[in-house]
Amino acid sequence: AQSVAQPEDQVNVAEGNPLTVKCTYSVSGNPYLFWYVQYPNRGLQFLLKYITGDNLVKGSYGFEAEFNKSQTSFHLKKPSALVSDSALYFCAVREGSGYSTLTFGKGTMLLVSP
Amino acid sequence: DAGVTQSPTHLIKTRGQQVTLRCSPISGHKSVSWYQQVLGQGPQFIFQYYEKEERGRGNFPDRFSARQFPNYSSELNVNALLLGDSALYLCASSFDRGLGNTIYFGEGSWLTVV
Repeated sequence: AQSVAQPEDQVNVAEGNPLTVKCTYSVSGNPYLFWYVQYPNRGLQFLLKYITGDNLVKGSYGFEAEFNKSQTSFHLKKPSALVSDSALYFCAVREGSGYSTLTFGKGTMLLVSP
Repeated sequence: DAGVTQSPTHLIKTRGQQVTLRCSPISGHKSVSWYQQVLGQGPQFIFQYYEKEERGRGNFPDRFSARQFPNYSSELNVNALLLGDSALYLCASSFDRGLGNTIYFGEGSWLTVV
């Protein structure tokens, strides 16, 4: 069975500093990895995905993520955080077999202070 | 272009009642999935429909059912509501069931069971 772990409930960073939100995954086949962001009382917004190819994936709003197969990780990064980046971030995985549902982590709250 | 649209946005029901939630996918998308997000947790997969057939079902009781219509819109029904069914119900769509396809989410329907 596929699973996702987001080890940090909350990440605090000052505006202008780089941020990293961690994600590790477990699948038996090839992983398809996604990051979503959720603002208060809203649905999920797609940020980026890794399917194959370059391990560094660039997405919306200046976010990027690095796929590391040996460490089974897919950490979300941004070089310079904005206060408006404060939100709940979810990592999700789809496995390269079976039907194509998403399995989510429990989420990481990102708080960017001015 | 319109995104995934869901209705109603908020509703309050009494224990034992039944509820129907509706979803219209992005134009051209044939796959619709439903997820339940309980406060403080990541979304949990309920159903996936593709070409009007159920293609996957998560670990939810038979009180939960869904269907997809010829226009690819979908309904989620929950019978005999319990307090624990209080959650954000998210509908998601993708072009088809391809693993690399991005899954786009709606704003959700907030269900409160009292």
